[in-house]
Amino acid sequence: GAGVSQSPSNKVTEKGKDVELRCDPISGHTALYWYRQSLGQGLEFLIYFQGNSAPDKSGLPSDRFSAERTGGSVSTLTIQRTQQEDSAVYLCASSLAGQGAPNEKLFFGSGTQLSVL
Amino acid sequence: AQSVTQLGSHVSVSEGALVLLRCNYSSSVPPYLFWYVQYPNQGLQLLLKYTSAATLVKGINGFEAEFKKSETSFHLTKPSAHMSDAAEYFCAVTRSGGSYIPTFGRGTSLIVHP
Repeated sequence: GAGVSQSPSNKVTEKGKDVELRCDPISGHTALYWYRQSLGQGLEFLIYFQGNSAPDKSGLPSDRFSAERTGGSVSTLTIQRTQQEDSAVYLCASSLAGQGAPNEKLFFGSGTQLSVL
Repeated sequence: AQSVTQLGSHVSVSEGALVLLRCNYSSSVPPYLFWYVQYPNQGLQLLLKYTSAATLVKGINGFEAEFKKSETSFHLTKPSAHMSDAAEYFCAVTRSGGSYIPTFGRGTSLIVHP
């Protein structure tokens, strides 16, 4: 596609439910990033993919969070047993090369607004 | 470790006035620095980046930023604010030979008054 696509754009769920957030990066981009944006907290790094591998998942806040990437393309971020503190905007970004290219820009999707009631 | 600090969560200016958004970085090696802008209900997009080629970097929409090593700063400026500049602005840092994953500041919300 022309840009990074994320779905759904909004997700309202009940505490304790599982949710899946999807990211379609720009075609040909090998690097994919997930960030979380909370009010007044800026962007918090969650996980980085190079191809289908995740060399850095240091930002995942707990074992309730997991992510995968298949075919070097689509990525899914899963949050199990959601809690109210998980409410935030989840942003996905992609870049052409990633590792070894620290000066390249990231292309961001519009995010998924997650609300846990 | 690398980090950026953005001073001021909100900056308010009048239309036509100078815009100054502050960013200070911390890095043990020469950094790469970025400014991104986020308009309401949109993802972030790159305004400009510093990659050591020149200390004064010009970006889109009339914005520019100057890298000052002695002050560890990379402040964003625009001579004359426009209503359409109202948005959230994020400073970010990466560094060669280390973490290539951008670390972002907390963001500064720019408010432009008519």
